[in-house]
Amino acid sequence: DQQVKQNSPSLSVQEGRISILNCDYTNSMFDYFLWYKKYPAEGPTFLISISSIKDKNEDGRFTVFLNKSAKHLSLHIVPSQPGDSAVYFCAARTAGTYKYIFGTGTRLKVLA
Amino acid sequence: DTAVSQTPKYLVTQMGNDKSIKCEQNLGHDTMYWYKQDSKKFLKIMFSYNNKELIINETVPNRFSPKSPDKAHLNLHINSLELGDSAVYFCASSQDEKIAYGYTFGSGTRLTVV
Repeated sequence: DQQVKQNSPSLSVQEGRISILNCDYTNSMFDYFLWYKKYPAEGPTFLISISSIKDKNEDGRFTVFLNKSAKHLSLHIVPSQPGDSAVYFCAARTAGTYKYIFGTGTRLKVLA
Repeated sequence: DTAVSQTPKYLVTQMGNDKSIKCEQNLGHDTMYWYKQDSKKFLKIMFSYNNKELIINETVPNRFSPKSPDKAHLNLHINSLELGDSAVYFCASSQDEKIAYGYTFGSGTRLTVV
């Protein structure tokens, strides 16, 4: 029973264009959502987060949108750069817990 | 001065052996975790310790035993290794009041059981 789902295993985008990575969840008790970026042979690194009381959070080229009614969040990267090529994981936690549940990741390839 | 360090990075061993993976964090974080990424890329939590106390213990075989000698260390011992234990194991840590920002992960230990 996968509570956090990333249905697109891979995505290719041209350099300079927008990358949109999607994530769906099933648990309405999630209160924080995170995006992690992972390069090969490295651990995931924190990218951006959003609280369930917000619908948007922006940090430079990265923006996360949260649609609670649809139980959907997305990560927008504008403009995309070749160095953004990595696997992106979304993660969510239930309020008051330490446990983050991860999606299976989307591999982003930014073409030069 | 790596924040969360795991050793070894690669581990190849035969079925039935017992092995340990070590993890250390120098961030002063309160909580440490072990996650397993299997062949299908699912990243699943196994255990978590907060100030040396076990706080998360997911459904994993009891061949897996975490040990936290102090707040900065969380080791994972695996007895009687099986082929299905082959995976990448990630250690992570977090600061209690900043849990909303998630974890800092180590670079992973790729375990291959042959």
